[in-house]
Amino acid sequence: AQSVTQPDIHITVSEGASLELRCNYSYGATPYLFWYVQSPGQGLQLLLKYFSGDTLVQGIKGFEAEFKRSQSSFNLRKPSVHWSDAAEYFCAVGEPGSYNKLIFGAGTRLAVHP
Amino acid sequence: GAGVSQSPSNKVTEKGKDVELRCDPISGHTALYWYRQSLGQGLEFLIYFQGNSAPDKSGLPSDRFSAERTGGSVSTLTIQRTQQEDSAVYLCASSLVGTSGTDTQYFGPGTRLTVL
Repeated sequence: AQSVTQPDIHITVSEGASLELRCNYSYGATPYLFWYVQSPGQGLQLLLKYFSGDTLVQGIKGFEAEFKRSQSSFNLRKPSVHWSDAAEYFCAVGEPGSYNKLIFGAGTRLAVHP
Repeated sequence: GAGVSQSPSNKVTEKGKDVELRCDPISGHTALYWYRQSLGQGLEFLIYFQGNSAPDKSGLPSDRFSAERTGGSVSTLTIQRTQQEDSAVYLCASSLVGTSGTDTQYFGPGTRLTVL
């Protein structure tokens, strides 16, 4: 069965610092990969997604993610964090042909210090 | 509409009562999904609709949970004889097609269910 691991439950960074959120998946082939963000009291918003092709994916709000097949990873990065980026971030995988069902990681809560 | 809407936003009920949660997907989206977000289990898939049929209901935790979709639009998730472990935020999402696996799922704000 597929699984998604986000090793960091909580991360704190200073505003302006760089950010990397880790995501590892377990799946026999290359799944579809997604990063979502959830702000307090809000639904989930898609930041970016990877299906195939270029392994460096650009998303909204200045985020990018890199797919590394050898490490089964899809880490999310941002070069300079803004206070408004404080939220919870979820990595998710979808199995091709499985009707778009998403399997989510446990999430990483990001706090940003001024 | 502009986005996925869900109602009510909050629901408090007593153990043993039935509840209905409603989801209005984005107009024109044929695929609709229900997920549950709880402290202990994280975000879990419940059920997927393609039109009015549900080809994947593998995530429904028990036979107390059911869902339907009518007119290819509105969906209702029903929980019968609620239990305290049903307390969670129930999220609905919709996507344009759903069959390719590459659709973007757009999520609603959720319904927070509290079972006393």
